[in-house]
Amino acid sequence: SQTIHQWPATLVQPVGSPLSLECTVEGTSNPNLYWYRQAAGRGLQLLFYSVGIGQISSEVPQNLSASRPQDRQFILSSKKLLLSDSGFYLCAWSGGLAGGPYNEQFFGPGTRLTVL
Amino acid sequence: EDKVVQSPLSLVVHEGDTVTLNCSYEVTNFRSLLWYKQEKKAPTFLFMLTSSGIEKKSGRLSSILDKKELFSILNITATQTGDSAIYLCAVVGPYKYIFGTGTRLKVLA
Repeated sequence: SQTIHQWPATLVQPVGSPLSLECTVEGTSNPNLYWYRQAAGRGLQLLFYSVGIGQISSEVPQNLSASRPQDRQFILSSKKLLLSDSGFYLCAWSGGLAGGPYNEQFFGPGTRLTVL
Repeated sequence: EDKVVQSPLSLVVHEGDTVTLNCSYEVTNFRSLLWYKQEKKAPTFLFMLTSSGIEKKSGRLSSILDKKELFSILNITATQTGDSAIYLCAVVGPYKYIFGTGTRLKVLA
């Protein structure tokens, strides 16, 4: 069965510090991968998605970046965090090309980031 | 611009009540519509709808899609306190999942 891991679960960082959040998926190959941010009481905002290694699409201009160094690994980074980067970050995967891009999406446990 | 609008934004009911949550959308190249339940952490999948008029049912929850009028509803009958959560609707386009802001449901004992 497929599982998705995210770490860390919680993170408190000062303004201006770097960020690296990691997400890995097991039990599937060539998944589509996604990073979302959810502000308190709000819906999910898509930040990045990737359909393959090294292929990243950015949805919202910001000081965050994403990378996909391996098929089942997705990393969210920042060189200098802003206060507005605080939120709940969710990684998700959906079926790859064989399964179609319109299948249900499965979420990792999330990282709660507080920037002080 | 693609958008998904959910209503109401929040709802407070008593145990045993029936609730209807709404999701309307304007999305190019519609593929499917998904409903999720989010409690404290990650959203968990409830339903995927691709065809109009076919009800999906799971216990006390059911959902239906109208592709002509571009909306879906999620019904919960005989609500319980464990149904308290944020319910998210997402519409799927090519490689994209567009989420609404969610409906926050609170069920009082």
